[in-house]
Amino acid sequence: DTGVSQNPRHKITKRGQNVTFRCDPISEHNRLYWYRQTLGQGPEFLTYFQNEAQLEKSRLLSDRFSAERPKGSFSTLEIQRTEQGDSAMYLCASSLTRRSGANVLTFGAGSRLTVL
Amino acid sequence: GENVEQHPSTLSVQEGDSAVIKCTYSDSASNYFPWYKQELGKRPQLIIDIRSNVGEKKDQRIAVTLNKTAKHFSLHITETQPEDSAVYFCAAWTVNQGAQKLVFGQGTRLTINP
Repeated sequence: DTGVSQNPRHKITKRGQNVTFRCDPISEHNRLYWYRQTLGQGPEFLTYFQNEAQLEKSRLLSDRFSAERPKGSFSTLEIQRTEQGDSAMYLCASSLTRRSGANVLTFGAGSRLTVL
Repeated sequence: GENVEQHPSTLSVQEGDSAVIKCTYSDSASNYFPWYKQELGKRPQLIIDIRSNVGEKKDQRIAVTLNKTAKHFSLHITETQPEDSAVYFCAAWTVNQGAQKLVFGQGTRLTINP
């Protein structure tokens, strides 16, 4: 296990279809984050998990978006009824909780979604 | 919530010169400030970070300074090389009602001209 793994790397879909992305974090990391990045912008926070518990969801995450981390290991991000505005790079990151609070996040290569 | 502003959005410097990128943050409780480098089509990679108990940190040609009073921090790259060309993102660690996350700036596209 050398890093954060995401798949698929690219997904092209038609508007209205559902898509699911998977993230496999670094094995000993207990926190997992999802971010969205559009061209020319910084990553925007979507949601994060500590073990299997989802602790925060951004207002960016509409009810068409759902994320799970059922066993506290890998995570999935599903987008239902995709819209063209969902086209973006979806980045996953993982970290190991520090007593001091702030975590060093390691990012995956991302899953690029194109909605036609 | 936390807001991170980053300037400039693009920066072009001659090889060998220095580059400086600046960020400001709004949440005075933020205590960790990493910088990520992202090359085209690749993942953001951590290049240096600083915690709020220090004012400066250096790693070879890269340094970061933090002014907690003014709530701003900067990335300094000296003796720039062509491989430094990339997009750089600053970020601030924020704690909002117990939830914890990194909030990123908008990015700076750095171009090193040979």
